[in-house]
Amino acid sequence: EAQVTQNPRYLITVTGKKLTVTCSQNMNHEYMSWYRQDPGLGLRQIYYSMNVEVTDKGDVPEGYKVSRKEKRNFPLILESPSPNQTSLYFCASSLGTSPGNEQFFGPGTRLTVL
Amino acid sequence: AQSVTQLDSHVSVSEGTPVLLRCNYSSSYSPSLFWYVQHPNKGLQLLLKYTSAATLVKGINGFEAEFKKSETSFHLTKPSAHMSDAAEYFCVVRAISGTYKYIFGTGTRLKVLA
Repeated sequence: EAQVTQNPRYLITVTGKKLTVTCSQNMNHEYMSWYRQDPGLGLRQIYYSMNVEVTDKGDVPEGYKVSRKEKRNFPLILESPSPNQTSLYFCASSLGTSPGNEQFFGPGTRLTVL
Repeated sequence: AQSVTQLDSHVSVSEGTPVLLRCNYSSSYSPSLFWYVQHPNKGLQLLLKYTSAATLVKGINGFEAEFKKSETSFHLTKPSAHMSDAAEYFCVVRAISGTYKYIFGTGTRLKVLA
């Protein structure tokens, strides 16, 4: 089944403890992206990747890192999480960088930073 | 620069009556536009997309949207609401050139009354 998977689905952590949220897609998509969803703000793009080893900042990149060493994986790293990073996170992928390509979303990761 | 404005944060309709969810966009370049739906505690699913072909776009579950360049609008409609349409809806813009970012609106929560 074609899908985007994220792990973990739920995570509660403490301030400053490094964490990684994994994202993997099995559709051979070139474009991958991370979003955070907060009430009343919609989804905001954190980082995106046009292909392996090519990443760029979205609108809210502060406090996050990403890497794209393989086409299928796009992990999101929080080196020193803070409470304001408590949010619902979505990974997404699309076939390529063409503007008409729709994104396919993972199920989401709910992160709480205490 | 791109932006999306969803004019209503909440919309309530009675089952069987028409649905109208409003979206206005701003883009320096010709845009691609998308509508996504998010059911409670679920990920996002594509409803429909506009990519500079026909201005009236039909999507899944009886939804459609019309691209009006003169009004910079991409409103989502459905002739007859069903209880299962209750969800949050997001309008998304992506410029044809100049950026690889997707910009989400803040969402419209649709409530369907029996």
